[in-house]
Amino acid sequence: LAKTTQPISMDSYEGQEVNITCSHNNIATNDYITWYQQFPSQGPRFIIQGYKTKVTNEVASLFIPADRKSSTLSLPRVSLSDTAVYYCLVTGDTGRRALTFGSGTRLQVQP
Amino acid sequence: GAVVSQHPSRVICKSGTSVKIECRSLDFQATTMFWYRQFPKKSLMLMATSNEGSKATYEQGVEKDKFLINHASLTLSTLTVTSAHPEDSSFYICSARGVGSGGSTYNEQFFGPGTRLTVL
Repeated sequence: LAKTTQPISMDSYEGQEVNITCSHNNIATNDYITWYQQFPSQGPRFIIQGYKTKVTNEVASLFIPADRKSSTLSLPRVSLSDTAVYYCLVTGDTGRRALTFGSGTRLQVQP
Repeated sequence: GAVVSQHPSRVICKSGTSVKIECRSLDFQATTMFWYRQFPKKSLMLMATSNEGSKATYEQGVEKDKFLINHASLTLSTLTVTSAHPEDSSFYICSARGVGSGGSTYNEQFFGPGTRLTVL
């Protein structure tokens, strides 16, 4: 399984755009990149998934360069409720196998 | 998206007792369920993989006789912590994958809300 590296923590203010970058140098050809959000004492929640280039949904965008060795989760105009831990995962089959969680990035949004 | 529930959400028990945690897929058939454990300010650690109708596969270092897993139906998996001790206090989370009502297979896993176990 490809190992991921992401910043331990980040701070931001309400209304700002937040970009969290994840490194996955050993990503395999059939691997996807998936991001989850976790609030304290809750289970992880799926945010977005991508394979290459750019993916956008109603809550975030995911940017993946051509070499796919990294990815950036972009949260537009964060609010206090976006304070959470964000996990970047790489897996060839997100459904079939258990997910391997790294340390995650603890995002703190301040007023 | 599909919904996974866990019960109870929080449990406090005395040392030496057993605790059962239920994980249910509410609107889809969960062919596979995964059990994770999470200690405070730490990441999720996989404990075992549970396939409906077969024995669970445990990760290295997880005692199968202590953490009993049963996946007897396509909508329910249970984790029983036997003879619980204070060091078993943790946040237990299940996830599930399977088939939706339309017959299509979900490519992602859906997580339950977690169960906070405190052993006194």
